[in-house]
Amino acid sequence: SQTIHQWPATLVQPVGSPLSLECTVEGTSNPNLYWYRQAAGRGLQLLFYSVGIGQISSEVPQNLSASRPQDRQFILSSKKLLLSDSGFYLCAWKAGAVWGYGYTFGSGTRLTVV
Amino acid sequence: SQQGEEDPQALSIQEGENATMNCSYKTSINNLQWYRQNSGRGLVHLILIRSNEREKHSGRLRVTLDTSKKSSSLLITASRAADTASYFCATEGGGSYIPTFGRGTSLIVHP
Repeated sequence: SQTIHQWPATLVQPVGSPLSLECTVEGTSNPNLYWYRQAAGRGLQLLFYSVGIGQISSEVPQNLSASRPQDRQFILSSKKLLLSDSGFYLCAWKAGAVWGYGYTFGSGTRLTVV
Repeated sequence: SQQGEEDPQALSIQEGENATMNCSYKTSINNLQWYRQNSGRGLVHLILIRSNEREKHSGRLRVTLDTSKKSSSLLITASRAADTASYFCATEGGGSYIPTFGRGTSLIVHP
């Protein structure tokens, strides 16, 4: 069965420090991968998505970047965190470029920038 | 941008009552999905309804879709305290495989 792992669960980082959040998927190949951010009590903001290794699309120009070094690995990074980067980050995957299937989400990372 | 918009933003009911949440969207879709999010956790996929379907059931969940009104509703029957969560709708369509989520409805079920 397919599983998605996201870590760490919580993170407290000082302003100006780097960030690396990792997401891996097991039990499938060539998934579509997504990074979302959720502000407190708000909806989901799509940050990045990837349809294949090395293929990254950015939805929001900002302080963050994403990479997909392997088929089932998706990394969210920042060189220097801002206070506004605080939030709940969610990774998700879907079985390729097809409709009619739901998205599977990781358990999320709560990032607090201090 | 967020296409789906849930209504109401918050809903508080007693255990055993039914809970109805609505979702409106703006453009044509291929399908609409509902998700649940417990506090501090990831989203869990509940049900997907395709644009050519009008109603779908899954256990205590009933989803309807009215493409002419660009709206959907999620009904949870005989609610339980464990149903307390935020519920989101997401749409897919317009040639994009990127889901667009609403802001969610916060449901509280009192025991």
